[in-house]
Amino acid sequence: GAVVSQHPSWVICKSGTSVKIECRSLDFQATTMFWYRQFPKQSLMLMATSNEGSKATYEQGVEKDKFLINHASLTLSTLTVTSAHPEDSSFYICSARREGPMNTGELFFGEGSRLTVL
Amino acid sequence: GQSLEQPSEVTAVEGAIVQINCTYQTSGFYGLSWYQQHDGGAPTFLSYNALDGLEETGRFSSFLSRSDSYGYLLLQELQMKDSASYFCAVRIQPGGYQKVTFGTGTKLQVIP
Repeated sequence: GAVVSQHPSWVICKSGTSVKIECRSLDFQATTMFWYRQFPKQSLMLMATSNEGSKATYEQGVEKDKFLINHASLTLSTLTVTSAHPEDSSFYICSARREGPMNTGELFFGEGSRLTVL
Repeated sequence: GQSLEQPSEVTAVEGAIVQINCTYQTSGFYGLSWYQQHDGGAPTFLSYNALDGLEETGRFSSFLSRSDSYGYLLLQELQMKDSASYFCAVRIQPGGYQKVTFGTGTKLQVIP
């Protein structure tokens, strides 16, 4: 099946620093990737839809200047948490959908990145 | 706005059958998916219904009624490893782009 790789799996940083998370589709091209955030024992909250070659579409309430998304190629999307603060500590997870006739409606998820801001 | 509602917790006995319901209110509906997530892990895809009816994949089946904005996931022959959280998710296109939003999640506990 399709594979999505996310890196890093764990990151601990100091308050005020920026953290970049990468999401790669390894065996298919993804014009669209989705970034989610999940707090413990809660659901996945869609933060933004990453579109290759164009600006990301952010969900209501998500600060686009805080969570910078870049989708520079058909296999790579990055999420940068800028000036991170303890309240940004969370599990961030990306996903991608196979386009075209191979599309089964399935989202392929990365392994997730657990961010802890001290 | 949009909403997806699921029961928060379900407990069932090993070997039994359990049904997890999902009701949704949304616009631009394309289809309903189900995902399984074990603690600390990433969600994994179980099924997708774009049309009304029942889809069966092994021990798992999923049902959709678009007119009722309702679906369910049916797990048969429950095993201990099925203990996990289960999320319904809607694929929608409210404007010019598609997105997938997740329900509140149901924590399933399978007991011996």
